[in-house]
Amino acid sequence: GESVGLHLPTLSVQEGDNSIINCAYSNSASDYFIWYKQESGKGPQFIIDIRSNMDKRQGQRVTVLLNKTVKHLSLQIAATQPGDSAVYFCAENMGQAGTALIFGKGTTLSVSS
Amino acid sequence: DTGVSQNPRHKITKRGQNVTFRCDPISEHNRLYWYRQTLGQGPEFLTYFQNEAQLEKSRLLSDRFSAERPKGSFSTLEIQRTEQGDSAMYLCASSGTGEQPQHFGDGTRLSIL
Repeated sequence: GESVGLHLPTLSVQEGDNSIINCAYSNSASDYFIWYKQESGKGPQFIIDIRSNMDKRQGQRVTVLLNKTVKHLSLQIAATQPGDSAVYFCAENMGQAGTALIFGKGTTLSVSS
Repeated sequence: DTGVSQNPRHKITKRGQNVTFRCDPISEHNRLYWYRQTLGQGPEFLTYFQNEAQLEKSRLLSDRFSAERPKGSFSTLEIQRTEQGDSAMYLCASSGTGEQPQHFGDGTRLSIL
């Protein structure tokens, strides 16, 4: 599968490969993190979230890993499909009720068949 | 459709005009957020409501911007005396009580001529 250690603005993979999208978050006080998928002309779509008391959480075909030591978050997509092509954003929240989400730089994932 | 609904989807107006956008959140959500997104960037927080109370405002929310949520259900965002720099996608999100993910609408794209 395709993986990157640092944030890259674009990631191109073949259908069926595993994808890993990385994100560095800014605030060590953040304790809630969310990954969003955004397709052209649409709003961000919730994929998966994780709280700071966890280091891994799995969903359907997606896994989020959290490394608080280096303030790093990653999203793994298994068996990537053309429909996964979109811009992916990580977002952090300091956990207080209603605190704004702070979005990272997006990564454009392109899946070719 | 029980998601977040935003109207209009597109708004084109001349510089100096006033515009108003509407957001209908997911019905059981008591928290509502407004964000702004420019091309190639992640969403940036503008303001947040819990029920009808506006609890947080970003420095991005200049005096020309005002948001309301009079009955704790739908919300409106008004921009007075629009400027070229106001051209962006305006996104609304809602969430439930506690540490819950924010769910976004598909936004209103504002173009200033």
